[in-house]
Amino acid sequence: EIVLTQSPTTMAASPGEKVTLNCLASSSVSYMNWYQQKSGASPKLWIYGTSNLASGVPNRFSGSGSGTSYSLTISSMEAEDVATYYCLQLSSYPPTFGSGTKLEIK
Amino acid sequence: QVTLKESGPGILQPSQTLSLTCTFSGFSLSTYGMGVGWIRQPSGKGLEWLANIWWDDDKYYNPSLKNRLTISKDTSNNQAFLKITNVDTADTATYYCARIGATGFYYFDYWGQGVMVTVSS
Repeated sequence: EIVLTQSPTTMAASPGEKVTLNCLASSSVSYMNWYQQKSGASPKLWIYGTSNLASGVPNRFSGSGSGTSYSLTISSMEAEDVATYYCLQLSSYPPTFGSGTKLEIK
Repeated sequence: QVTLKESGPGILQPSQTLSLTCTFSGFSLSTYGMGVGWIRQPSGKGLEWLANIWWDDDKYYNPSLKNRLTISKDTSNNQAFLKITNVDTADTATYYCARIGATGFYYFDYWGQGVMVTVSS
């Protein structure tokens, strides 16, 4: 089983600040998916195939990475970005999720 | 428009069998390449993948729970099912079903609202 380690666990960013969330895989994966989950809501697909934004996702978000290291970047933090972000690898079984990064606003 | 909705018993006792239903619309599990997965989330905790079922009835299970899980589908009624046997308090969680999207990559693209399940004596 591939273990995904997300960092940081929690972070707070000021409006307009650049934010980078990380996801480290215990073995190489072909691509990474990211989900945004707001309190009390279902997870939403945010980025798929490492760098493709899901429908409706603002273009201040981007994804990158390869092998064992992947990241989600917000170029300019906004209040609506407050959420927990999870990475998910589905390139090998069993699918595994990271433990999440909780993003707050200062 | 793709929608999914989970239903379940709400509360059950330890050692019982949990039966969950996912009723969906906007796609068919008889269509080549389609799949549905189940994922759960204990309150305040992270996401755990449980099982996937595909259009061709291929099935995959989380190895840590495999002996307790059974996934199935009813394509004529656009439903997928998950059974978990011998539940205990650790199975208390919100259970989600999600469609598996595939565009060269695999991902859960549409999710249901989730159904909360409590295991308590």
